[in-house]
Amino acid sequence: GNSVTQMEGPVTLSEEAFLTINCTYTATGYPSLFWYVQYPGEGLQLLLKATKADDKGSNKGFEATYRKETTSFHLEKGSVQVSDSAVYFCALENNFNKFYFGSGTKLNVKP
Amino acid sequence: GAVVSQHPSWVICKSGTSVKIECRSLDFQATTMFWYRQFPKQSLMLMATSNEGSKATYEQGVEKDKFLINHASLTLSTLTVTSAHPEDSSFYICSASDSGANVLTFGAGSRLTVL
Repeated sequence: GNSVTQMEGPVTLSEEAFLTINCTYTATGYPSLFWYVQYPGEGLQLLLKATKADDKGSNKGFEATYRKETTSFHLEKGSVQVSDSAVYFCALENNFNKFYFGSGTKLNVKP
Repeated sequence: GAVVSQHPSWVICKSGTSVKIECRSLDFQATTMFWYRQFPKQSLMLMATSNEGSKATYEQGVEKDKFLINHASLTLSTLTVTSAHPEDSSFYICSASDSGANVLTFGAGSRLTVL
């Protein structure tokens, strides 16, 4: 089946710290992988995506590389800001726009 | 960019009543919309896929008579929670696919509280 597992939060970091949020997946076939971000009171927004193995998605300083050998898509950012505080969801899309989400990881960045 | 609007954003109702939640794509046509349910500190769980002009496809374990979905136009899908009970209290989120873009746009969600 299809599923996504991501690290439990909350993750609390100081501003300018390095961020890693782990995400692993199980899937049949060759899924596309996504990171979505949900700011307080808002809907989910696409942060980045990768559609095939070894692709790297990047946006706003965040990066994630599609690793087929380890079935992972870890999210990283070199220097977080207070404005990055949000809940981050890892997701896969396998067919017909059907998405499977991880449980979300809340990130708190302190000044 | 693509925008999906949900209404209401927050609704409180009495047990036994029915509640309708609307999901609109504001600047694009969506032949397919999706309804999710999100429990506190948990993932989004896909409830059903809503197809314009045809019946919705429900995920296993989701009661179709409980959660009525109607997708009457290319910009509107509705979710009606019938005879709501406290266990139906949750955050309901819709999303829509801009055809061919392989990207979902999400609404801000609707929080339902059943007393």
